[in-house]
Amino acid sequence: EDKVVQSPLSLVVHEGDTVTLNCSYEVTNFRSLLWYKQEKKAPTFLFMLTSSGIEKKSGRLSSILDKKELFSILNITATQTGDSAIYLCAVEAQGGSEKLVFGKGTKLTVNP
Amino acid sequence: DVKVTQSSRYLVKRTGEKVFLECVQDMDHENMFWYRQDPGLGLRLIYFSYDVKMKEKGDIPEGYSVSREKKERFSLILESASTNQTSMYLCAITGQANYGYTFGSGTRLTVV
Repeated sequence: EDKVVQSPLSLVVHEGDTVTLNCSYEVTNFRSLLWYKQEKKAPTFLFMLTSSGIEKKSGRLSSILDKKELFSILNITATQTGDSAIYLCAVEAQGGSEKLVFGKGTKLTVNP
Repeated sequence: DVKVTQSSRYLVKRTGEKVFLECVQDMDHENMFWYRQDPGLGLRLIYFSYDVKMKEKGDIPEGYSVSREKKERFSLILESASTNQTSMYLCAITGQANYGYTFGSGTRLTVV
């Protein structure tokens, strides 16, 4: 059974801190790993990773995938209160249906 | 931009009622998905559909059914609502390549 495990499940930091969120997975025929940010409503897309070792970056957020060790990290530098959200990791297996298996999420709280 | 519309943001229903949750997309995408999201459990796949009149069970289909009579509309049906179906329901479609899912804004259902 395909499985995604995120850690930590929750995290409280102060503005300006750097955080690292972890995602490990077990999936048959891995195709891609995705990160989403969820505030009050629908998750919004952050990154899609398909290749090992290639960092994806968007402003203060970055992510990298290790297909050998089966994990990914999401880094957020110089955190701001607006980064407070649930961060979801999901994996897609090859097979044509494009369904995603999600982890339970990491709830990040950034205090002023 | 791809748009996914869920008809209700908040719903309150009584135990035993039949409940319809609607999801409409404005693109010509084949794959549509229904997830529920609960604290501590993350997003879990209920059903998905890869074409009109086609459906497949996800990980937690019990107590639910779906309908896809037109490509743009995917309905989730709670045949006889129960309190354990109180949850946030998210509809998603596969969007542009390399962007994973596009989610609807969610329906928060409370069964009393």
